[in-house]
This record gives sequence, structure tokens and C-alpha cells, in this order.
Amino acid sequence: AQSVTQLGSHVSVSEGALVLLRCNYSSSVPPYLFWYVQYPNQGLQLLLKYTTGATLVKGINGFEAEFKKSETSFHLTKPSAHMSDAAEYFCAVGDQGGSEKLVFGKGTKLTVNP
Amino acid sequence: GAGVSQSPSNKVTEKGKDVELRCDPISGHTALYWYRQSLGQGLEFLIYFQGNSAPDKSGLPSDRFSAERTGGSVSTLTIQRTQQEDSAVYLCASSLQGATDTQYFGPGTRLTVL
Repeated sequence: AQSVTQLGSHVSVSEGALVLLRCNYSSSVPPYLFWYVQYPNQGLQLLLKYTTGATLVKGINGFEAEFKKSETSFHLTKPSAHMSDAAEYFCAVGDQGGSEKLVFGKGTKLTVNP
Repeated sequence: GAGVSQSPSNKVTEKGKDVELRCDPISGHTALYWYRQSLGQGLEFLIYFQGNSAPDKSGLPSDRFSAERTGGSVSTLTIQRTQQEDSAVYLCASSLQGATDTQYFGPGTRLTVL
């Protein structure tokens, strides 16, 4: 069965600092990988996704993530945090050729300090 | 265009009552998903509809939960004999076809069972 582990339920950074949100997954087949963001009192929206091809994926708002098969990781990064990045971030994994459902991690709440 | 809509936005009910939650997906999206978001638990997959195929009900936590999708569009999630542990935010998402496509989420229905 697939699973997703997000290390750190809360991450706090200073404005302008590097953002690193960690995601590790387990999957018996090549995965699809997603990062979603949930701003306060809003629904989830897609930041970026990896399906096939280039392992470094760029998303909206300056975020990017790299699929590392050997480490079963898909960590999310942004070089310089902005106050507007404060939100909850969810990593999710889907199966290639298997079930259509996504398995989500428990989320990481990002706080950006001025 | 219009996004995914859900109603009601909030629902307070008494233990033992039945509730119905509604989801209107994006027009033209054949895939529809229901998730449950509990505090600190991330998103839990409940059920998946794809076109005219039999739904994937593997995530429904008990037989008190059921869902239908009429005419390949609107979906209703029904919880019978609600329990306090059913309290959560119920999220609906739709996507163009399936696993690799971006899921677009509705704002959710916050269910509180007293």
C-alpha cells in the first residue's frame, strides 16, 4: 500500500529564508507525486506535480520539487520565503496503472516570520 | 469558469441523524473524488467516481457512508446515523479524467456532530 510521510507538522522560517518541506513516499510502482497548498479558509490548490520525464518540477509561486527515486523523496523548496507563503502544504502520491486515488500526507503548516 | 462547489458550507447535526453533502464538479470533468479532512490527519480518501464505471468505495470508513453521482455530474455523500467521530471537513474534488490530472478541490463542508 502506498503511504506518504511529511516530516514536520509545523515549519517556521523567516521571510527571505529558504523553504524546505520534506516528503517521503512508499510505492511499489513508479509513482505520480503532487504538492497541494491550502491557504487559510480556502480550498486546496495544486502547486506542482511529477508524472514522468524531468525529475525537477517547477510550480507556481516560485516553488519547485525534485523527484529522487533512490531516496523515495519529493521535497518541496523555495529559495526565498514570502509572507504570503504561509499556508498548509500537502504531499500526495498516486499509482501508475493502479488505483486512481491519491494518498495524502498529514500536511505541514508553514509559518513565515517577518 | 466556475470551480467545484459544495453545499452546505457548514452543517451542525445531532448524533444519530442522517446528513447529505452535495458536490457540483467542474463541467466536463469525468472524475470526482470525496475526501475527509480531520484535524491533524491530512486528507483521507473516501470514494472515487469515473464516468460510468463502478465507483471505488475502498475508502469509505463504514457502511453508514454512501455516495452517488447522478448523470455523471452532481454527487451526494450521505452519512447515516452520524457519530461524533464523523465531525470533519468533507472535501470534494474533480479532475478531467484520472490519476495524472490535476484535482480541483471545492471549499469543503464542515460537519459538526453534537
